[in-house]
Amino acid sequence: DQQVKQNSPSLSVQEGRISILNCDYTNSMFDYFLWYKKYPAEGPTFLISISSIKDKNEDGRFTVFLNKSAKHLSLHIVPSQPGDSAVYFCAARYGTASKLTFGTGTRLQVTL
Amino acid sequence: DAGVTQSPTHLIKTRGQQVTLRCSPKSGHDTVSWYQQALGQGPQFIFQYYEEEERQRGNFPDRFSGHQFPNYSSELNVNALWLGDSALYLCASSARGLEAKNIQYFGAGTRLSVL
Repeated sequence: DQQVKQNSPSLSVQEGRISILNCDYTNSMFDYFLWYKKYPAEGPTFLISISSIKDKNEDGRFTVFLNKSAKHLSLHIVPSQPGDSAVYFCAARYGTASKLTFGTGTRLQVTL
Repeated sequence: DAGVTQSPTHLIKTRGQQVTLRCSPKSGHDTVSWYQQALGQGPQFIFQYYEEEERQRGNFPDRFSGHQFPNYSSELNVNALWLGDSALYLCASSARGLEAKNIQYFGAGTRLSVL
């Protein structure tokens, strides 16, 4: 049972444009959501997170939106840069010290 | 400030053998979690250690065991290896506490190949 789903395996965006990565979840107990970026041969790097009591969190070029009623979150990257090309994982947890449940990832390619 | 470090980076074993992977958490972190990432998949939670005890466990058989030492470093042991254990094994560390948000930070992983 895939509790966190990233339905788009890949996304290609031009440099300078907006990248939107989507994530859906089924477990209503999840109360904290995170995005990680992963380059080849490296571990996942924490990007941004959001608590279920909020609907938006912003950090520089990265913004995460949470729609609890739809059990959907999205990561917006504006403007996209070639260095943003990586695999992006959405993750969720319930309880502060709990395990992370990951989606299968979306490969973002930012083209010149 | 050193991040999460894992050793070795690559490992090749044959079926039936045993393997031990090691992890040193980020400075100031006291909790270590282990994940298995198969090709094309997201990381899957194996277990988490805090105060030298296993606190949570994912859906992995008893062949997977671990340990946490007083300095918060950790080991993952896998016995009776089989082909399906070939994967990237990721260690993540975090800090418990009200202000910490308990964000998990990952190491670069150990790539295990079972032949």
